[in-house]
Amino acid sequence: DTGVSQNPRHKITKRGQNVTFRCDPISEHNRLYWYRQTLGQGPEFLTYFQNEAQLEKSRLLSDRFSAERPKGSFSTLEIQRTEQGDSAMYLCASSQHAGPHNEQFFGPGTRLTVL
Amino acid sequence: GESVGLHLPTLSVQEGDNSIINCAYSNSASDYFIWYKQESGKGPQFIIDIRSNMDKRQGQRVTVLLNKTVKHLSLQIAATQPGDSAVYFCAENPAGGGADGLTFGKGTHLIIQP
Repeated sequence: DTGVSQNPRHKITKRGQNVTFRCDPISEHNRLYWYRQTLGQGPEFLTYFQNEAQLEKSRLLSDRFSAERPKGSFSTLEIQRTEQGDSAMYLCASSQHAGPHNEQFFGPGTRLTVL
Repeated sequence: GESVGLHLPTLSVQEGDNSIINCAYSNSASDYFIWYKQESGKGPQFIIDIRSNMDKRQGQRVTVLLNKTVKHLSLQIAATQPGDSAVYFCAENPAGGGADGLTFGKGTHLIIQP
C-alpha cells in the first residue's frame, strides 16, 4: 500500500494520560499536514511540515499538542495531559508540491477516545 | 470569521439520478477549491479541484462549478451509484494565507436510495 498510513487506528485513554500518534506519508511527498475531525464536522487544520520544518500552527494547537517530523519522513503528534475534549479523529495528509495548489492525500485517521 | 459551509446536511437521491451538492464560501480571496468524499471510518478522498481562474471543471462522472460572483461552489455527480454514498466536503485554500492548510465545510451526507 503506497498511501498515507496512520497508527494506531484507534486509541482509548484516560484523561490526563499522554498519547502519541504516528503518520507515514506517501514516500516522495515533502509536505505533511495534521487535521482534527470531530463527529459531524469537517476536518480542522492543526499544523503542517515542509520536510522536517514545521511551518504553520493553527490556534487550535494548544501547548499540550506537539508535532515532530525529525527526518522529514514520518511524523508524530503527541497530546499531553489529554482532556475529554481531545476526543476526535486525527487525520494526517501529505502532498508532493509546495504552494497553495496541491492535492492533499489523507490517511485513514487515528480515532482518539478520552475517558 | 470566514468559513466554508454547505447548504444541506443530508441529500437523498435515487440510484441513477444526478446529484448536486452545494457549498457557499465567504473568503473572497480563496483561489483554490476542492471536493472530498469521506466514507465511514476512512479519511477524506480527493474527488476534484478547481482554481479560481476557472468556472467549470469536469472529471469522470463529476463536475465542479464555481461562481465567484456569489461565492458558490457545487459538485454534480452524474448517474449516482450506491458507492457514491458518503459525506462530501468542500474545502478551500485561501490565497496568500501562508499556511497551506485547507478549510473544510461541515459536509453533506449523500444517501443513494435503490
